[in-house]
Amino acid sequence: NAGVTQTPKFQVLKTGQSMTLQCAQDMNHEYMSWYRQDPGMGLRLIHYSVGAGITDQGEVPNGYNVSRSTTEDFPLRLLSAAPSQTSVYFCASSYSNTGELFFGEGSRLTVL
Amino acid sequence: GESVGLHLPTLSVQEGDNSIINCAYSNSASDYFIWYKQESGKGPQFIIDIRSNMDKRQGQRVTVLLNKTVKHLSLQIAATQPGDSAVYFCAENMNTGNQFYFGTGTSLTVIP
Repeated sequence: NAGVTQTPKFQVLKTGQSMTLQCAQDMNHEYMSWYRQDPGMGLRLIHYSVGAGITDQGEVPNGYNVSRSTTEDFPLRLLSAAPSQTSVYFCASSYSNTGELFFGEGSRLTVL
Repeated sequence: GESVGLHLPTLSVQEGDNSIINCAYSNSASDYFIWYKQESGKGPQFIIDIRSNMDKRQGQRVTVLLNKTVKHLSLQIAATQPGDSAVYFCAENMNTGNQFYFGTGTSLTVIP
């Protein structure tokens, strides 16, 4: 049981490039979400999903897209990277939308 | 979005002493709260949770207290150990919502 797995762990992009952060969980959780963590600002919700085929926006969705084609996977796409998107990104999953969140180890993204 | 704030950004305690980390929340409709521990370079890990129909909940060496009147919760760690050094976050959720809101975190340092 691997839990929540994120890849890559580190990535450097140039402004304007696109990329996808991968997230997979093997706990059969319906609820998955993406957070970004910036110094002094805690964790902020980007997008979330309550099940396959269903996604919704969180606090800071601009510049990011998500999809949920399977229960296991919830990729986060940056369409045109900006320096303001330099951050540490965490994927999390839960049995339900009000249950304990299980977090991945994080993906550190730097946009130059 | 709702704000969750912490009174103290840093806390230093002697090994063996008890630690108290405080958190204020602003949404009176929030009815589920979680404390997370985040070690350097890792994702947040669940410590303990509490629902709004309770005032106190105890775990192994940890206790969470909830005061709904003043919208405040605290995390008490008994006999603090060096391994407790980390950043601690509180998070709130409304039962009808799909979003957790996190505080900015308190950095706990245990002095041997």
